[in-house]
Amino acid sequence: DAKTTQPPSMDCAEGRAANLPCNHSTISGNEYVYWYRQIHSQGPQYIIHGLKNNETNEMASLIITEDRKSSTLILPHATLRDTAVYYCIVRVVESYSGAGSYQLTFGKGTKLSVIP
Amino acid sequence: EAQVTQNPRYLITVTGKKLTVTCSQNMNHEYMSWYRQDPGLGLRQIYYSMNVEVTDKGDVPEGYKVSRKEKRNFPLILESPSPNQTSLYFCASSRDRDKNTGELFFGEGSRLTVL
Repeated sequence: DAKTTQPPSMDCAEGRAANLPCNHSTISGNEYVYWYRQIHSQGPQYIIHGLKNNETNEMASLIITEDRKSSTLILPHATLRDTAVYYCIVRVVESYSGAGSYQLTFGKGTKLSVIP
Repeated sequence: EAQVTQNPRYLITVTGKKLTVTCSQNMNHEYMSWYRQDPGLGLRQIYYSMNVEVTDKGDVPEGYKVSRKEKRNFPLILESPSPNQTSLYFCASSRDRDKNTGELFFGEGSRLTVL
């Protein structure tokens, strides 16, 4: 799976949009971009994933550049409860590829601090 | 409520005393996995299971055993714990491969200290 690069930390004012960048310049055509977050040693929580189109759900939006070498996770109105470590992961998703398709390699992520 | 439940959440034990961390999921997921998380090392996979009676080693399996006798349960066994197994442990599950979108559901974690 391709490697990702994220800034180690970011601050965001409460109520403002939090934009978390991720570089994945070696991403392959069949690799998806996933975002998870981990709040204070709790279990990681799935946020969103995408292949090449922008995606939005009730938690966040995912913007993937046209060349797919980078992406941005957007939390539209950050709250104090969004303070967490955010992980950007790229990996292949296949139906019959075996165990490899379930592997998620978590890097160090970005520690987002939402400030009152 | 869909969830992955781990027990115990906290445990302090001594070297060599066998222990089991249980993991149960109520989502009928085929895939289950154990991770450990250590400062500076991120989440590392210990063992995983594709289905009942099917298990395999992850990245750091030494010192651990698992079993998958039922679909919902995936216990992690430390036969002879050592201090280097002091860590935060997470169990996770996912839907079957045909519908797999990559979303892993994690438990709340089990913090283990081996003295």
